[in-house]
Amino acid sequence: QQQVKQSPQSLIVQKGGISIINCAYENTAFDYFPWYQQFPGKGPALLIAIRPDVSEKKEGRFTISFNKSAKQFSLHIMDSQPGDSATYFCAASIMNYGGSQGNLIFGKGTKLSVKP
Amino acid sequence: DTEVTQTPKHLVMGMTNKKSLKCEQHMGHRAMYWYKQKAKKPPELMFVYSYEKLSINESVPSRFSPECPNSSLLNLHLHALQPEDSALYLCASSQMGVREQFFGPGTRLTVL
Repeated sequence: QQQVKQSPQSLIVQKGGISIINCAYENTAFDYFPWYQQFPGKGPALLIAIRPDVSEKKEGRFTISFNKSAKQFSLHIMDSQPGDSATYFCAASIMNYGGSQGNLIFGKGTKLSVKP
Repeated sequence: DTEVTQTPKHLVMGMTNKKSLKCEQHMGHRAMYWYKQKAKKPPELMFVYSYEKLSINESVPSRFSPECPNSSLLNLHLHALQPEDSALYLCASSQMGVREQFFGPGTRLTVL
């Protein structure tokens, strides 16, 4: 119930192509879905986030698509660049987890490589 | 100041040592978090502090002891660790009632 399933585990895309990473969840109490980008040796950085009352959110080359009925959400990276090569984590959160601030349940991550 | 800082960047310790990890933020965030991240795995929540009080402990062994001395500072005291505790330890912070968590660069811990 608390899991977030992420696929694929790894992804190779040509420069200029579209990268698509998918996540699925079971717990309908989740109400915040962020994507984090992590470079080797660095901490995760928030990329973009969405709430379930919105079906799509776009920020620059990054778009989240959200399907509430299917309990799925995905990250699309348009015009992928070699600098986008990193590990991407989807996550889900419930506010007031344990009676306190919301936590983050992470997917297992997708290692993206963008070839020049 | 919009960042979370962590010291040290790297730490090597023996199983009998006592050491501490430090995390600092000056964004006025009143929620702070410790995560553990093993290689090629996602971060796993360890502790949450809200208004300097421990609000969540995700069944973490007592050899890890968190402390929040003030609203800007978070420590993780380490004692009698095991080699399997070797990992990247991440600190994060957020405003209360706001979901966005900001992560620090982490401390790479190696237990010999």
